[in-house]
Amino acid sequence: KNEVEQSPQNLTAQEGEFITINCSYSVGISALHWLQQHPGGGIVSLFMLSSGKKKHGRLIATINIQEKHSSLHITASHPRDSAVYICAVTDTDKLIFGTGTRLQVFP
Amino acid sequence: DAGITQSPRYKITETGRQVTLMCHQTWSHSYMFWYRQDLGHGLRLIYYSAAADITDKGEVPDGYVVSRSKTENFPLTLESATRSQTSVYFCASSLGSSSYNEQFFGPGTRLTVL
Repeated sequence: KNEVEQSPQNLTAQEGEFITINCSYSVGISALHWLQQHPGGGIVSLFMLSSGKKKHGRLIATINIQEKHSSLHITASHPRDSAVYICAVTDTDKLIFGTGTRLQVFP
Repeated sequence: DAGITQSPRYKITETGRQVTLMCHQTWSHSYMFWYRQDLGHGLRLIYYSAAADITDKGEVPDGYVVSRSKTENFPLTLESATRSQTSVYFCASSLGSSSYNEQFFGPGTRLTVL
């Protein structure tokens, strides 16, 4: 069993829809990261959180440490949100990555 | 320009050849990482470095060698390339431990071993 599981693996949505991507992990962590990989391959960090909730524009990330679960929400989705979203948890100095959720948003 | 760069961006080589992938960052970040990304596996850590002259193995280190003589550079060498090392390689850096710091990724190097 992978230490970091994401669901769904693939997600399609119509522009304007509310999107939720889930991440569950099985190890004790200090922090959880959400990253975005663009269709061209570039990877950027979206959030790093260890408790509660963070918001940046239309993106919201939440984490429940007791349940070992995090969610990434996208409000009012747009075709430019189409990307692979990757969850990663900390293991001392390193990250353990999920395999990603591929999101496609259609106009 | 400031940031993290990788070279080359694309490389085709033959089985048995030595290949070195370069990574350079201008932020003076302490930590640097090398990952490979393959379909179905996500990102997997090859090696990482917490500071100059300090390196440590990750999840998939076999067949790779790293060095870090200067803070800003972290080259990855495939001593004798194999077809299974065909992959996209990403370098990343962070100011400190990933427990408290986000990682910044380079653009990636697509390596094909024939």
